[in-house]
Amino acid sequence: AQSVAQPEDQVNVAEGNPLTVKCTYSVSGNPYLFWYVQYPNRGLQFLLKYITGDNLVKGSYGFEAEFNKSQTSFHLKKPSALVSDSALYFCAVRDIDGDSSYKLIFGSGTRLLVRP
Amino acid sequence: EAQVTQNPRYLITVTGKKLTVTCSQNMNHEYMSWYRQDPGLGLRQIYYSMNVEVTDKGDVPEGYKVSRKEKRNFPLILESPSPNQTSLYFCASSLNKGIKKNIQYFGAGTRLSVL
Repeated sequence: AQSVAQPEDQVNVAEGNPLTVKCTYSVSGNPYLFWYVQYPNRGLQFLLKYITGDNLVKGSYGFEAEFNKSQTSFHLKKPSALVSDSALYFCAVRDIDGDSSYKLIFGSGTRLLVRP
Repeated sequence: EAQVTQNPRYLITVTGKKLTVTCSQNMNHEYMSWYRQDPGLGLRQIYYSMNVEVTDKGDVPEGYKVSRKEKRNFPLILESPSPNQTSLYFCASSLNKGIKKNIQYFGAGTRLSVL
């Protein structure tokens, strides 16, 4: 079965510094990977996805993610963090078993805190 | 504005009192889904629907029902709520084909407390 793991409950970074939020995955076949962000009292918002092609995927709000097949990772990155980036981030993988090819399996989430 | 609308946003109820959380999307999406979010567990899928009149169980369907009589609406029904259903619930929708396939759009959430 497909799964994703987010090993860090929280990531702390100073504003202006680069940030990385980690995600590793386990899939059979080619992975379809996603990052979503959840701001307080809001639903999840799509940031970016990887299906095929370049290993570096660019998304919304200056975020990007690097797909690494050998390490089965899909880490979210941003060169310069903003205080407004503080939120809960979820990695997800598309489940391709049977008919549930539209189901997303989410990680447990990583809280990003950017200090001024 | 393209959106997924859930109502109510907050709900406090008592054990056993039937309730319905409504979900409506205006993007003509075929796929709709309900999730619950609990601390440390991420989002877990309750039920999903591939299209009108087509629904199926997710990972945690016990104690919930859904229906999909119209494309835009996907209500979540708790026939006899219990305290372990206290959670934050999200409805989501997406297209089944095309470049935006699998990109799910989420409602703002419904925080439910069952006493």
